[in-house]
Amino acid sequence: SQTIHQWPATLVQPVGSPLSLECTVEGTSNPNLYWYRQAAGRGLQLLFYSVGIGQISSEVPQNLSASRPQDRQFILSSKKLLLSDSGFYLCAWSMGVGQPQHFGDGTRLSIL
Amino acid sequence: GESVGLHLPTLSVQEGDNSIINCAYSNSASDYFIWYKQESGKGPQFIIDIRSNMDKRQGQRVTVLLNKTVKHLSLQIAATQPGDSAVYFCAEPFSGGGSYIPTFGRGTSLIVHP
Repeated sequence: SQTIHQWPATLVQPVGSPLSLECTVEGTSNPNLYWYRQAAGRGLQLLFYSVGIGQISSEVPQNLSASRPQDRQFILSSKKLLLSDSGFYLCAWSMGVGQPQHFGDGTRLSIL
Repeated sequence: GESVGLHLPTLSVQEGDNSIINCAYSNSASDYFIWYKQESGKGPQFIIDIRSNMDKRQGQRVTVLLNKTVKHLSLQIAATQPGDSAVYFCAEPFSGGGSYIPTFGRGTSLIVHP
């Protein structure tokens, strides 16, 4: 069966520090991969998605970037975190366009 | 752009009651919808889906109804339990027009009182 792993579960970082959040999927190949941010009490905001290795599409201009160095690995990064980067970050995968997405358990990021 | 939205942000019910969570969509060409459940501190989990060639689909204690005429779908939870307390999202996995972008509703918080 397919599984998705995100880490760390929680992270506290100072303003201006770098960020690297990792997501890996097991049990499937060539999945579509997604990064979302969810503010408290709000819906899901799509940040990036990828349909293949090295293929990244950005949905919102921001302080973050994403990379897909391997088929089942998706990384969310920042060179310098801002206070506004605080939030709950979710990684998801799907078999393809229009297919249900399966989410990881998220990373709670707090910027001090 | 197209949107998927929810009528009620919070719903409080007593344990054992039936719960109904509503969702409206604007794209008349939408043909596939999913309901997700998100517990506190976790990622959304798939509950049930429905395609536009159906009006109703049932799962274990959950039923999704789709009214294409008024572009409305609902999630019904029978005999609601405290473990059902969570935020529920409706979603459209495929926005259409060649887009890879799924669309999520704002979410409804279901609170079940014992």
